[in-house]
Amino acid sequence: GNSVTQMEGPVTLSEEAFLTINCTYTATGYPSLFWYVQYPGEGLQLLLKATKADDKGSNKGFEATYRKETTSFHLEKGSVQVSDSAVYFCALKKASGGSYIPTFGRGTSLIVHP
Amino acid sequence: ETGVTQTPRHLVMGMTNKKSLKCEQHLGHNAMYWYKQSAKKPLELMFVYSLEERVENNSVPSRFSPECPNSSHLFLHLHTLQPEDSALYLCASSQAGQGARTEAFFGQGTRLTVV
Repeated sequence: GNSVTQMEGPVTLSEEAFLTINCTYTATGYPSLFWYVQYPGEGLQLLLKATKADDKGSNKGFEATYRKETTSFHLEKGSVQVSDSAVYFCALKKASGGSYIPTFGRGTSLIVHP
Repeated sequence: ETGVTQTPRHLVMGMTNKKSLKCEQHLGHNAMYWYKQSAKKPLELMFVYSLEERVENNSVPSRFSPECPNSSHLFLHLHTLQPEDSALYLCASSQAGQGARTEAFFGQGTRLTVV
C-alpha cells in the first residue's frame, strides 16, 4: 500500500540555520505529494505541493522537489525563523478503491531557537 | 464563512456520556474525512466520505459513529468512550472529482478529553 516515511524529530536549529526534513514515499504510479504544517493548537495547513515528477513546490521560503527516481520529497528552507517552529507532515494522495485518500507521515517537530 | 469549521474546539466527557463532534466546510468540496491525532502517534485516518457515501472505515471501534447528511456537513457521534480515546480529532475536506492533485483542507480540530 501507500506509505510515507519522515525523519524522526525533533529537529532543533538556531535562527537563520538551513533546514532539511527528509521524506520518502512508497506508492505505485504517480501520486501527488504535499507538505503540511501544524502550529500549536491548530489543524494542518498546506505548505506546498507537487503533482508530477521534477515539479518543485515552494511557499514562504520553503521548497521541495518531487524526485521520482529516489521516491523523495525533502523539505528545505535556507534560513529558518523562530516562527517556523511547528510540526511538519509529508503526505501523498493517490487513488484507493475509486477514492483519493491522503496518507500522512508521522510528522517532524521543528524547534527554532533565537 | 470560509474553510473548514469544527465545533466544539474543546470537549470533556465522561465515559458514559454521548456527544457529537461537528464539521462544516464552505469550500464546495465533496469528500470529507475524520482523523485522530494522539500524542506521539501518527495521524490516523478514521473515516472517509466521498459524494456522501462512506468509502473508508479503518477498523474504528463502534463507539465512534460517523454521519454525513450532505456534502457540507460531517458528524462524529461518540458514546461510551475510553480514556485512550482522548485526542485531537481533525476534520478535513477535499475535491474528490479532481483526483490526487488537490490538497485536503483541515479544520482546527476538537480536543477531546475522556474522564
